[in-house]
Amino acid sequence: AQRVTQPEKLLSVFKGAPVELKCNYSYSGSPELFWYVQYSRQRLQLLLRHISRESIKGFTADLNKGETSFHLKKPFAQEEDSAMYYCALSGTGTALIFGKGTTLSVSS
Amino acid sequence: ETGVTQSPTHLIKTRGQQVTLRCSSQSGHNTVSWYQQALGQGPQFIFQYYREEENGRGNFPPRFSGLQFPNYSSELNVNALELDDSALYLCASSFQGLGGNTIYFGEGSWLTVV
Repeated sequence: AQRVTQPEKLLSVFKGAPVELKCNYSYSGSPELFWYVQYSRQRLQLLLRHISRESIKGFTADLNKGETSFHLKKPFAQEEDSAMYYCALSGTGTALIFGKGTTLSVSS
Repeated sequence: ETGVTQSPTHLIKTRGQQVTLRCSSQSGHNTVSWYQQALGQGPQFIFQYYREEENGRGNFPPRFSGLQFPNYSSELNVNALELDDSALYLCASSFQGLGGNTIYFGEGSWLTVV
């Protein structure tokens, strides 16, 4: 079955601390993995995708096919990173399968 | 700022009624998909339209139907509304073609069924 699991509902960190948002997936094939972010009162927007291998707003994510994981990392959290983060995968076509999301709260 | 717009932003319907939600895709996009997001959950894929044809569907009953128009705008119709249909409905558009595709979301339509 195709599934995305985000085990943490809430992650609270202090400003300047490292952040790791966990994502595990189940998919028979080679999916494309994404991280989407939703800031307060804003629409869902793409943060990064594994095929582009880029760093956005200091966030990176590495696809680990052996562990079927795509964890999102940032070395030093900022208060403006506080948001809801969704991990998603796409198989054939553009339909996305989302995890339930993790709320990241960064406090000073 | 993406160009996907949805209407209405909020609406309340009674159980058993029918609802139509509308979406205007980002310019140049030929694919539109709809998602349902219940409170505390991630978005769930309802269906996708490409060049006016449904070309993918999630685990939703037939009373969820849709249309895509020649200008690539779209409608989501839900018949015989149930209380559990209360959710945020998200429209997303993308361009299917070479070079991959980035999906852009609208702000959503909040549906409350009472």
